[in-house]
Amino acid sequence: DAGVIQSPRHEVTEMGQEVTLRCKPISGHNSLFWYRQTMMRGLELLIYFNNNVPIDDSGMPEDRFSAKMPNASFSTLKIQPSEPRDSAVYFCASSLGQGIETQYFGPGTRLLVL
Amino acid sequence: GIQVEQSPPDLILQEGANSTLRCNFSDSVNNLQWFHQNPWGQLINLFYIPSGTKQNGRLSATTVATERYSLLYISSSQTTDSGVYFCAVERGFGNEKLTFGTGTRLTIIP
Repeated sequence: DAGVIQSPRHEVTEMGQEVTLRCKPISGHNSLFWYRQTMMRGLELLIYFNNNVPIDDSGMPEDRFSAKMPNASFSTLKIQPSEPRDSAVYFCASSLGQGIETQYFGPGTRLLVL
Repeated sequence: GIQVEQSPPDLILQEGANSTLRCNFSDSVNNLQWFHQNPWGQLINLFYIPSGTKQNGRLSATTVATERYSLLYISSSQTTDSGVYFCAVERGFGNEKLTFGTGTRLTIIP
């Protein structure tokens, strides 16, 4: 299996621009998670989906952030407009989603907002 | 929310040494996972261990759920073990939301 796939791996953008991060979960996994990692806040869950439905979005920082999962093999995390404080590594993870399951992480997208 | 504390925050060891990393959590949990983040940033799941003991090669983990702690043991350390080790917990109740600790940064010196 190819594992969780994320794109792009690196993104540099200017403040105010729209940023879209993409994730393909492991085939057969029903839960998908978006995390953000920063030095100040560590690893924090932003949102997670089960069977393409958002279950918990309490970690989404503000309305500038949105996430979608149109089908079982694709999800996006969008930031519009982006701000310098959004600079972080964004991870996508997936699990079988049949209860309490091991989560498998993608390689992450390193975002820098200038 | 649940609090997850890891100790020590930093650990520097000579290659071949053994180490014990600790994770304390503030409430009962239905899920506990240990992850290794390598120097390139990749997060690798090491163990899913809400209770009991598991071993995988030179690594083993023990969770004592009633006392709200977990230990990760690394024996005969290698330089490839360097990185940050995270403990993450979930309270369950049908929610898969993991709360991560702040991690232990392990550096293995050749």
